[in-house]
Amino acid sequence: QSALTQPASVSGSPGQSITISCTGTSSDVGGYNYVSWYQQHPGKAPKLMIYEVTNRPSGVSNRFSGSKSGNTASLTISGLQAEDEADYYCSSHTNINTQVFGGGTKLTVL
Amino acid sequence: EVQLVESGGGLVQPGGSLRLSCAASGFTFRSHFMSWVRQAPGKGLEWVANIRQDGSEKNYVDSVKGRFTISRDNAENSLYLQMNSLRAEDTAVYYCARAPARARLDYWGQGTLVTVSS
Repeated sequence: QSALTQPASVSGSPGQSITISCTGTSSDVGGYNYVSWYQQHPGKAPKLMIYEVTNRPSGVSNRFSGSKSGNTASLTISGLQAEDEADYYCSSHTNINTQVFGGGTKLTVL
Repeated sequence: EVQLVESGGGLVQPGGSLRLSCAASGFTFRSHFMSWVRQAPGKGLEWVANIRQDGSEKNYVDSVKGRFTISRDNAENSLYLQMNSLRAEDTAVYYCARAPARARLDYWGQGTLVTVSS
């Protein structure tokens, strides 16, 4: 049950696009289309942004999109806005019916 | 409106026990898997455990197996986490979350802080 691998930090300017990667194994990310992404602002509970690799919950901006190739999933945020500055976590179902998170990525909007 | 409200956190000595509760409202509690997720101070999220709608299936992260027990009372719309043999590394904010599908945690509580220290 090793954590998924995410970059510690990414940054971008307002209006730009950024992509956060999330690498696992064939026992988690690569084996299932059950990858989700969460946004967390300081002192707040996490918020679901993407589920089942590409799906957005109602109310989440279409600037957020997800994809997957092999053992690596990605979250892309287009048209960066100041309020997007937060920590982002990926998560995946695993082959032993557990769930695993990535280490988190701090997004800085310059 | 979906609401999840955790309680039961606090300061406990190493080796001690604590029982967390999560009161659910605004949805049909008995129809959903539920999960516990924790976050150590300044660290990332860690999934802890989940439980099937009827309580017949429970899954745990390796680090808490044999020490923590997840349970639920569908009549009371409540989720629980019994934590025994607590260690310093269990210090974290504990969140309960609704899990309508695999790896999909769509509603979260505000969290309750557990501090394990002498």
